[in-house]
Amino acid sequence: ILNVEQSPQSLHVQEGDSTNFTCSFPSSNFYALHWYRWETAKSPEALFVMTLNGDEKKKGRISATLNTKEGYSYLYIKGSQPEDSATYLCALNTNAGKSTFGDGTTLTVKP
Amino acid sequence: DAGITQSPRYKITETGRQVTLMCHQTWSHSYMFWYRQDLGHGLRLIYYSAAADITDKGEVPDGYVVSRSKTENFPLTLESATRSQTSVYFCASSEQTGQPQHFGDGTRLSIL
Repeated sequence: ILNVEQSPQSLHVQEGDSTNFTCSFPSSNFYALHWYRWETAKSPEALFVMTLNGDEKKKGRISATLNTKEGYSYLYIKGSQPEDSATYLCALNTNAGKSTFGDGTTLTVKP
Repeated sequence: DAGITQSPRYKITETGRQVTLMCHQTWSHSYMFWYRQDLGHGLRLIYYSAAADITDKGEVPDGYVVSRSKTENFPLTLESATRSQTSVYFCASSEQTGQPQHFGDGTRLSIL
């Protein structure tokens, strides 16, 4: 079973702080790495699809990078807002369309 | 509306009973998945399907049965429910390998 690790498990920041979290994985043999945002009482929603080493994606204040050679991806949030509070999931998409999910990083942004 | 829907949203049943969770998607996505979400475990894959009439086990398949006679439907059946199967169940679909998954709203299942 592929092991996808996310750190930290949880994070508490003040409004306006910038933050980042990590997704680590042991292999570069995958089709894509996905980042999802999962708000409480809702279902996960895809943020980014990353496929190539060096990929950088951005959506508003949120961006992500991928390093397949060293086996990690970073998610950055610039100027965190309370509405950014959610669990951020990383998933490695391998064969047959399957994804292995990390346990997520839960971000709480205090006003 | 196009999307992926799960039913029921909430279900309470007793140990030993059979219960079926329904999942329906309108995109004609090839892949469909069932996950369970438990505290401390994140999302764990129960079963998945690459196309109609093709299903395969995931990480935690014991006690569950799936079928996919039509592309749009992927029901999950607990043949004889146990308390350890109390969980939140998510169904998801994706168009093809490499594409992100689209999730249903989840079914909260309690087994007494």
